[in-house]
Amino acid sequence: DIQMTQSPSSLSASVGDRVTITCQASQDIRNYLNWYQQKPGKAPKLLIYDASNLETGVPSRFSGSGSGTHFSFTINSLQPEDVATYYCQQYDNLLYTFGQGTKLEI
Amino acid sequence: QLRVQESGPGLVKPSEDLSLTCSVSPGFISSSSYFWGWIRQPPGKGLEWIGNIYYDGKAYYNPSLNSRVSMSVDTSKSQVSLRVSSVTAADTALYYCARLRPGGTFYFWGQGTLVIVSS
Repeated sequence: DIQMTQSPSSLSASVGDRVTITCQASQDIRNYLNWYQQKPGKAPKLLIYDASNLETGVPSRFSGSGSGTHFSFTINSLQPEDVATYYCQQYDNLLYTFGQGTKLEI
Repeated sequence: QLRVQESGPGLVKPSEDLSLTCSVSPGFISSSSYFWGWIRQPPGKGLEWIGNIYYDGKAYYNPSLNSRVSMSVDTSKSQVSLRVSSVTAADTALYYCARLRPGGTFYFWGQGTLVIVSS
Protein backbone atom coordinates (compact mmCIF):
# COMPACT_ATOMS: atom_id res chain seq x y z
CA ASP A 1 0.00 0.00 0.00
CA ILE A 2 1.09 3.56 -0.67
CA GLN A 3 1.38 5.62 2.50
CA MET A 4 1.00 9.39 2.52
CA THR A 5 2.80 11.43 5.17
CA GLN A 6 1.33 14.90 5.49
CA SER A 7 2.88 17.68 7.53
CA PRO A 8 2.42 19.60 9.64
CA SER A 9 -0.59 18.12 11.43
CA SER A 10 -1.62 21.57 12.57
CA LEU A 11 -0.66 25.08 11.67
CA SER A 12 -1.42 28.56 12.94
CA ALA A 13 -0.88 31.57 10.70
CA SER A 14 -2.03 35.15 10.27
CA VAL A 15 -4.22 36.73 7.65
CA GLY A 16 -2.07 37.59 4.64
CA ASP A 17 0.55 34.92 5.37
CA ARG A 18 1.78 32.38 2.91
CA VAL A 19 1.13 28.85 4.14
CA THR A 20 2.64 25.62 2.82
CA ILE A 21 1.63 22.02 3.56
CA THR A 22 3.60 19.04 2.33
CA CYS A 23 2.74 15.47 1.47
CA GLN A 24 5.24 12.70 0.94
CA ALA A 25 4.35 9.43 -0.74
CA SER A 26 6.00 6.13 0.20
CA GLN A 27 6.64 5.45 -3.48
CA ASP A 28 6.55 7.25 -6.80
CA ILE A 29 2.99 8.34 -7.60
CA ARG A 30 3.89 10.53 -10.57
CA ASN A 31 1.50 13.50 -10.36
CA TYR A 32 -1.49 11.50 -9.15
CA LEU A 33 -2.24 13.66 -6.15
CA ASN A 34 -5.19 15.80 -5.13
CA TRP A 35 -5.76 18.36 -2.37
CA TYR A 36 -9.04 18.87 -0.52
CA GLN A 37 -10.33 21.43 1.93
CA GLN A 38 -12.76 20.42 4.67
CA LYS A 39 -14.45 23.07 6.74
CA PRO A 40 -16.06 22.11 10.06
CA GLY A 41 -19.31 20.22 9.58
CA LYS A 42 -18.93 20.14 5.81
CA ALA A 43 -17.94 17.58 3.19
CA PRO A 44 -14.46 17.87 1.68
CA LYS A 45 -14.07 20.12 -1.35
CA LEU A 46 -11.64 19.52 -4.18
CA LEU A 47 -9.11 22.35 -4.60
CA ILE A 48 -6.19 20.95 -6.62
CA TYR A 49 -6.09 17.90 -8.89
CA ASP A 50 -3.22 16.14 -10.62
CA ALA A 51 -0.80 17.82 -8.21
CA SER A 52 -0.93 21.31 -9.69
CA ASN A 53 -4.23 21.97 -11.47
CA LEU A 54 -6.65 24.40 -9.88
CA GLU A 55 -10.23 23.14 -9.80
CA THR A 56 -12.72 25.40 -11.55
CA GLY A 57 -14.05 28.10 -9.25
CA VAL A 58 -11.28 27.78 -6.66
CA PRO A 59 -9.47 31.05 -5.83
CA SER A 60 -6.06 31.46 -7.40
CA ARG A 61 -4.37 31.95 -4.01
CA PHE A 62 -4.42 28.15 -3.76
CA SER A 63 -1.73 26.24 -5.63
CA GLY A 64 -0.03 22.87 -5.70
CA SER A 65 3.25 21.49 -6.98
CA GLY A 66 5.41 18.41 -6.98
CA SER A 67 5.73 15.00 -8.57
CA GLY A 68 7.09 11.60 -7.70
CA THR A 69 7.11 11.41 -3.92
CA HIS A 70 7.19 15.02 -2.73
CA PHE A 71 4.28 17.41 -3.05
CA SER A 72 3.37 20.77 -1.63
CA PHE A 73 0.21 22.83 -1.28
CA THR A 74 0.38 26.60 -0.81
CA ILE A 75 -2.09 29.27 0.16
CA ASN A 76 -0.87 32.72 -0.78
CA SER A 77 -2.28 35.60 1.25
CA LEU A 78 -4.24 33.56 3.79
CA GLN A 79 -7.86 34.65 4.27
CA PRO A 80 -10.11 34.13 7.33
CA GLU A 81 -12.36 31.79 5.33
CA ASP A 82 -9.41 29.44 4.74
CA VAL A 83 -9.72 28.04 8.27
CA ALA A 84 -10.17 24.34 7.57
CA THR A 85 -8.47 20.98 7.53
CA TYR A 86 -6.60 20.15 4.34
CA TYR A 87 -5.98 16.64 3.00
CA CYS A 88 -3.86 15.20 0.23
CA GLN A 89 -5.02 12.07 -1.59
CA GLN A 90 -3.07 9.79 -3.94
CA TYR A 91 -4.57 7.75 -6.75
CA ASP A 92 -1.55 6.22 -8.43
CA ASN A 93 -3.04 2.75 -8.43
CA LEU A 94 -6.51 1.41 -7.86
CA LEU A 95 -6.03 1.65 -4.10
CA TYR A 96 -6.32 5.20 -2.85
CA THR A 97 -4.91 6.85 0.28
CA PHE A 98 -5.51 10.11 2.11
CA GLY A 99 -2.96 12.00 4.13
CA GLN A 100 -3.60 12.47 7.83
CA GLY A 101 -4.75 16.06 7.37
CA THR A 102 -3.48 19.51 8.37
CA LYS A 103 -5.65 21.66 10.58
CA LEU A 104 -5.16 25.31 9.71
CA GLU A 105 -6.04 28.02 12.21
CA ILE A 106 -5.76 31.75 12.11
CA GLN B 1 -27.88 19.04 -11.82
CA LEU B 2 -25.94 16.42 -9.94
CA ARG B 3 -27.18 15.63 -6.44
CA VAL B 4 -25.81 12.96 -4.15
CA GLN B 5 -27.48 11.95 -0.90
CA GLU B 6 -26.34 9.27 1.49
CA SER B 7 -28.76 7.45 3.77
CA GLY B 8 -28.47 4.72 6.37
CA PRO B 9 -29.74 3.27 9.65
CA GLY B 10 -27.92 5.73 11.94
CA LEU B 11 -27.37 3.15 14.69
CA VAL B 12 -26.08 -0.39 14.22
CA LYS B 13 -25.33 -3.05 16.82
CA PRO B 14 -21.87 -4.61 17.01
CA SER B 15 -21.43 -7.73 14.86
CA GLU B 16 -24.34 -6.74 12.60
CA ASP B 17 -24.03 -5.72 8.96
CA LEU B 18 -24.26 -2.11 7.86
CA SER B 19 -25.96 -1.09 4.63
CA LEU B 20 -25.79 2.42 3.21
CA THR B 21 -27.34 3.91 0.11
CA CYS B 22 -26.19 6.79 -2.04
CA SER B 23 -29.05 8.26 -4.10
CA VAL B 24 -27.90 10.02 -7.24
CA SER B 25 -29.74 12.40 -9.57
CA PRO B 26 -31.27 10.42 -12.45
CA GLY B 27 -29.05 10.49 -15.50
CA PHE B 28 -25.83 10.70 -13.53
CA ILE B 29 -25.59 7.18 -12.17
CA SER B 30 -24.11 5.33 -15.12
CA SER B 31 -21.32 6.58 -17.28
CA SER B 32 -18.17 5.06 -18.64
CA SER B 33 -16.36 8.24 -17.66
CA TYR B 34 -17.37 8.66 -14.03
CA PHE B 35 -17.21 6.35 -11.07
CA TRP B 36 -18.33 6.20 -7.48
CA GLY B 37 -16.48 5.99 -4.21
CA TRP B 38 -17.14 5.74 -0.49
CA ILE B 39 -15.02 7.51 2.10
CA ARG B 40 -15.54 7.57 5.85
CA GLN B 41 -14.45 9.82 8.68
CA PRO B 42 -14.53 8.72 12.33
CA PRO B 43 -15.57 11.52 14.68
CA GLY B 44 -12.74 14.01 15.07
CA LYS B 45 -10.43 12.06 12.77
CA GLY B 46 -9.23 12.08 9.18
CA LEU B 47 -10.58 10.68 5.94
CA GLU B 48 -10.34 6.98 5.11
CA TRP B 49 -10.94 5.67 1.60
CA ILE B 50 -13.27 2.66 1.64
CA GLY B 51 -13.52 1.74 -2.02
CA ASN B 52 -14.55 2.61 -5.58
CA ILE B 53 -16.92 1.00 -8.03
CA TYR B 54 -16.64 1.46 -11.78
CA TYR B 55 -19.14 1.47 -14.61
CA ASP B 56 -18.35 -2.16 -15.44
CA GLY B 57 -19.21 -3.21 -11.90
CA LYS B 58 -15.64 -3.81 -10.86
CA ALA B 59 -14.91 -2.63 -7.36
CA TYR B 60 -11.69 -2.00 -5.48
CA TYR B 61 -11.53 -1.81 -1.72
CA ASN B 62 -9.20 -0.59 0.97
CA PRO B 63 -7.12 -3.66 1.91
CA SER B 64 -7.74 -2.95 5.58
CA LEU B 65 -11.49 -3.43 4.99
CA ASN B 66 -11.46 -5.70 1.95
CA SER B 67 -12.96 -8.80 3.48
CA ARG B 68 -15.86 -6.91 5.10
CA VAL B 69 -16.85 -4.46 2.37
CA SER B 70 -18.87 -4.71 -0.81
CA MET B 71 -20.26 -2.09 -3.19
CA SER B 72 -22.83 -2.20 -5.95
CA VAL B 73 -24.64 0.07 -8.37
CA ASP B 74 -28.36 -0.16 -9.16
CA THR B 75 -28.93 1.94 -12.26
CA SER B 76 -32.71 1.35 -12.20
CA LYS B 77 -32.92 3.01 -8.80
CA SER B 78 -30.06 5.47 -9.46
CA GLN B 79 -28.31 4.27 -6.31
CA VAL B 80 -24.88 3.20 -5.16
CA SER B 81 -24.77 0.88 -2.17
CA LEU B 82 -22.18 0.04 0.46
CA ARG B 83 -22.27 -2.93 2.78
CA VAL B 84 -19.93 -3.43 5.72
CA SER B 85 -20.19 -6.72 7.55
CA SER B 86 -19.56 -7.58 11.20
CA VAL B 87 -19.24 -3.99 12.35
CA THR B 88 -17.45 -2.90 15.50
CA ALA B 89 -17.15 0.41 17.30
CA ALA B 90 -14.23 1.22 14.99
CA ASP B 91 -16.73 1.48 12.12
CA THR B 92 -18.46 4.44 13.77
CA ALA B 93 -18.01 7.27 11.29
CA LEU B 94 -19.52 9.78 8.92
CA TYR B 95 -19.81 7.95 5.60
CA TYR B 96 -19.49 9.93 2.37
CA CYS B 97 -20.43 8.97 -1.17
CA ALA B 98 -18.51 10.80 -3.88
CA ARG B 99 -18.32 10.88 -7.66
CA LEU B 100 -14.95 10.34 -9.27
CA ARG B 101 -13.63 11.81 -12.46
CA PRO B 102 -11.44 9.56 -14.62
CA GLY B 103 -8.08 9.22 -12.95
CA GLY B 104 -9.08 9.25 -9.32
CA THR B 105 -10.38 12.66 -8.29
CA PHE B 106 -13.34 12.88 -5.92
CA TYR B 107 -14.88 15.99 -7.40
CA PHE B 108 -18.41 15.86 -6.01
CA TRP B 109 -19.33 14.77 -2.49
CA GLY B 110 -22.54 14.10 -0.67
CA GLN B 111 -23.08 15.55 2.78
CA GLY B 112 -22.48 12.23 4.49
CA THR B 113 -24.48 10.00 6.80
CA LEU B 114 -23.46 9.28 10.37
CA VAL B 115 -23.31 5.69 11.52
CA ILE B 116 -22.85 4.82 15.18
CA VAL B 117 -22.02 1.27 16.19
CA SER B 118 -23.29 0.62 19.68
CA SER B 119 -25.31 -1.93 21.59
